[in-house]
Amino acid sequence: GQSLEQPSEVTAVEGAIVQINCTYQTSGFYGLSWYQQHDGGAPTFLSYNGLDGLEETGRFSSFLSRSDSYGYLLLQELQMKDSASYFCAVSSSSNTGKLIFGQGTTLQVKP
Amino acid sequence: DSGVTQTPKHLITATGQRVTLRCSPRSGDLSVYWYQQSLDQGLQFLIQYYNGEERAKGNILERFSAQQFPDLHSELNLSSLELGDSALYFCASSVGGQNIQYFGAGTRLSVL
Repeated sequence: GQSLEQPSEVTAVEGAIVQINCTYQTSGFYGLSWYQQHDGGAPTFLSYNGLDGLEETGRFSSFLSRSDSYGYLLLQELQMKDSASYFCAVSSSSNTGKLIFGQGTTLQVKP
Repeated sequence: DSGVTQTPKHLITATGQRVTLRCSPRSGDLSVYWYQQSLDQGLQFLIQYYNGEERAKGNILERFSAQQFPDLHSELNLSSLELGDSALYFCASSVGGQNIQYFGAGTRLSVL
């Protein structure tokens, strides 16, 4: 089977740093992506890791360890507008863009 | 605005009916993906088309079908609708089979 595990909810205060973990078990693995979705909105791409290590994009960073089947999204200098759901997604093949999504983590940023 | 256009935004219909959801990808994108998002199932991949050809299939029901036309727009057809088909249906596009997918605003389907 294929499964991705991430926490269902995380709460943090404005200005803080939060880490959202994702562990995966899939029949194939090509890379790990992160998407943000505000309530009722469309998912938007945040970051992608194809190789082990850290990718940094502004306040957001993402990490991958293929040997541990684990990744995380790090959000720094949290802002109220970061309150949203965050999904990790596995690409299982290089030939297709099929994404297998986790159930999502709801991040609530408090003042 | 992602550049991906989905119509209609909302659709209310009855059980047993058939509906068509439409998606126009970003200019230049050859791949179109369809996803279903329901409260208990999260985002589920349904199907991918690349330049008019089916490229990948997920757990798409036999009552559902899709196609991509020569102008690259895509349609998702849902038939013999059941209450459980009520969900948000997203279309996404990418240049090829790339990992950066751009999602449309979705079609919210309510089956009554």
